[in-house]
Amino acid sequence: AQSVSQHNHHVILSEAASLELGCNYSYGGTVNLFWYVQYPGQHLQLLLKYFSGDPLVKGIKGFEAEFIKSKFSFNLRKPSVQWSDTAEYFCAVNEDTGRRALTFGSGTRLQVQP
Amino acid sequence: NAGVTQTPKFQVLKTGQSMTLQCAQDMNHEYMSWYRQDPGMGLRLIHYSVGAGITDQGEVPNGYNVSRSTTEDFPLRLLSAAPSQTSVYFCASSYKFGGQGYNEQFFGPGTRLTVL
Repeated sequence: AQSVSQHNHHVILSEAASLELGCNYSYGGTVNLFWYVQYPGQHLQLLLKYFSGDPLVKGIKGFEAEFIKSKFSFNLRKPSVQWSDTAEYFCAVNEDTGRRALTFGSGTRLQVQP
Repeated sequence: NAGVTQTPKFQVLKTGQSMTLQCAQDMNHEYMSWYRQDPGMGLRLIHYSVGAGITDQGEVPNGYNVSRSTTEDFPLRLLSAAPSQTSVYFCASSYKFGGQGYNEQFFGPGTRLTVL
């Protein structure tokens, strides 16, 4: 079965520090990739998505992610974090086989200190 | 558009009670799904539907039933609540994007359920 791994469970950064959150998946075929963010007390919102084309994807709020097919990875990056980026971040994968569900990673809790 | 709505926001049940979590979307999306979110485990798929009258099981379906009589509504029923079903439940909807499967999923605000 498909699995998604987020190795960083809890990350603490100071404002203006750079961020990189890891995401690896196990499926060997064509995939659609997503990063979602959940701010405290809120529902999940889409940060960015990759279906095909340029493997460097830009999303909202200055986030970007790079799809590296050979490494089965889709890491999330931001050059300079802000206190308002404090949230939980989820990587999710959809196999492009007709199975319509998303498989989520366990999430990374990001805490940005002012 | 209201997007995806869920009721109730909070619910406390006693073991053995039954209840229905409501989910509705006004975006005419074909695909709807239910997830549960537990600490350190991300979101896990309970059931999903690709259209009215069609449902299928996800990763953790035991103890839950669903039906989809209309495009808009996708209720989740707990038949006999157990403490292990204490969780936050999210409903989501999506639509097909070109020939590449389903697009991003839009999530509701969630229902926080406690089973005593």
